[in-house]
Amino acid sequence: ETGVTQSPTHLIKTRGQQVTLRCSSQSGHNTVSWYQQALGQGPQFIFQYYREEENGRGNFPPRFSGLQFPNYSSELNVNALELDDSALYLCASSLTYGSWAYNEQFFGPGTRLTVL
Amino acid sequence: DQQVKQNSPSLSVQEGRISILNCDYTNSMFDYFLWYKKYPAEGPTFLISISSIKDKNEDGRFTVFLNKSAKHLSLHIVPSQPGDSAVYFCAASESGGSNYKLTFGKGTLLTVNP
Repeated sequence: ETGVTQSPTHLIKTRGQQVTLRCSSQSGHNTVSWYQQALGQGPQFIFQYYREEENGRGNFPPRFSGLQFPNYSSELNVNALELDDSALYLCASSLTYGSWAYNEQFFGPGTRLTVL
Repeated sequence: DQQVKQNSPSLSVQEGRISILNCDYTNSMFDYFLWYKKYPAEGPTFLISISSIKDKNEDGRFTVFLNKSAKHLSLHIVPSQPGDSAVYFCAASESGGSNYKLTFGKGTLLTVNP
């Protein structure tokens, strides 16, 4: 069974730039959620994708956007980077059957984004 | 407004003794609770979960207790081992919501001393 993978591991960008982070879900999982973890905080929900559509969004501005592909992998895009976007970005995969979903989500190792 | 609170930033215990990590929540719509362990430079690892229809769930050395009336849950690790040293996150979700986002606490750093 293949776990959740994320790329890149680390990334350094400057303010105003755009970034794309990638995630491959665990085999057998069809739902991907993205979280932002700032230093000293717990992960904060950004959004979730199921059936290639956004299935819920946390309190993040529209410059945070995402995609899910037919193979269930996903991308997180952040435009107009700000200094406060520096954080660990975590991808989690889970399984959904129609309107019912498993609550357990399984996380990747994360991408550490630094905005200078 | 923090809906999931872990009021102890850190906890230190001796190897072989019991570790008790606590978590409180304010949102009465939460009906499923999870504990994750996180080592530095790794993503959170799922440990154990409990549905609100239960008050206890056990898996090996790990037991989670849920007190719905107090909106409180705790994770017991017995016996504690040095390899258990990590940050532990409590998380909650609403099964009937439109999505199944997890709401996390800030975490508790557990140190198990040999």
